[in-house]
Amino acid sequence: AQSVSQHNHHVILSEAASLELGCNYSYGGTVNLFWYVQYPGQHLQLLLKYFSGDPLVKGIKGFEAEFIKSKFSFNLRKPSVQWSDTAEYFCASLANAGKSTFGDGTTLTVKP
Amino acid sequence: NAGVMQNPRHLVRRRGQEARLRCSPMKGHSHVYWYRQLPEEGLKFMVYLQKENIIDESGMPKERFSAEFPKEGPSILRIQQVVRGDSAAYFCASSDGRNQPQHFGDGTRLSIL
Repeated sequence: AQSVSQHNHHVILSEAASLELGCNYSYGGTVNLFWYVQYPGQHLQLLLKYFSGDPLVKGIKGFEAEFIKSKFSFNLRKPSVQWSDTAEYFCASLANAGKSTFGDGTTLTVKP
Repeated sequence: NAGVMQNPRHLVRRRGQEARLRCSPMKGHSHVYWYRQLPEEGLKFMVYLQKENIIDESGMPKERFSAEFPKEGPSILRIQQVVRGDSAAYFCASSDGRNQPQHFGDGTRLSIL
């Protein structure tokens, strides 16, 4: 069975600080990986996805993530956060079964 | 190009009543997924449907919960005889393939009195 774990439940940063959110998945086969963001009161939006190829994936709004197969990790990064990045971030894996498995989420608060 | 539409946004029911949650997928999408989010938790998969067929319902409680995606009309998640523990946000997602990114609706927040 798949599982996804996100290490940090709540992260607080000041504007312009660098961000790295951890994500580890457990599935040993071919897996597709995603990061979603949920702004307060809004639906989940896709930030970026990894299917195959270059393990460094660039997404929207300056986010990127690196797939490291040997570590079963897919950490999300951003060099300089803004106040508008305050949101909840979910890592998810998708195996051939079609259903996504989500981590419990990380709440990011960026102080202006 | 409308996204995934869910209604109602908020639904209040008394214990023992039935709750019906509706989801219209994005145009062109035939794969629909339902997830439940309890407070302070991530999304938990419930069921995956592809036009009139249930592909995977491994996350659905065995009793009181059912889902359908008819040939015409929205997908429906139905909860019979609701209990307090059913209070949660229910999200629907759709995709144009089983291994493609899923696009989410705004969710239905179900409250049980």
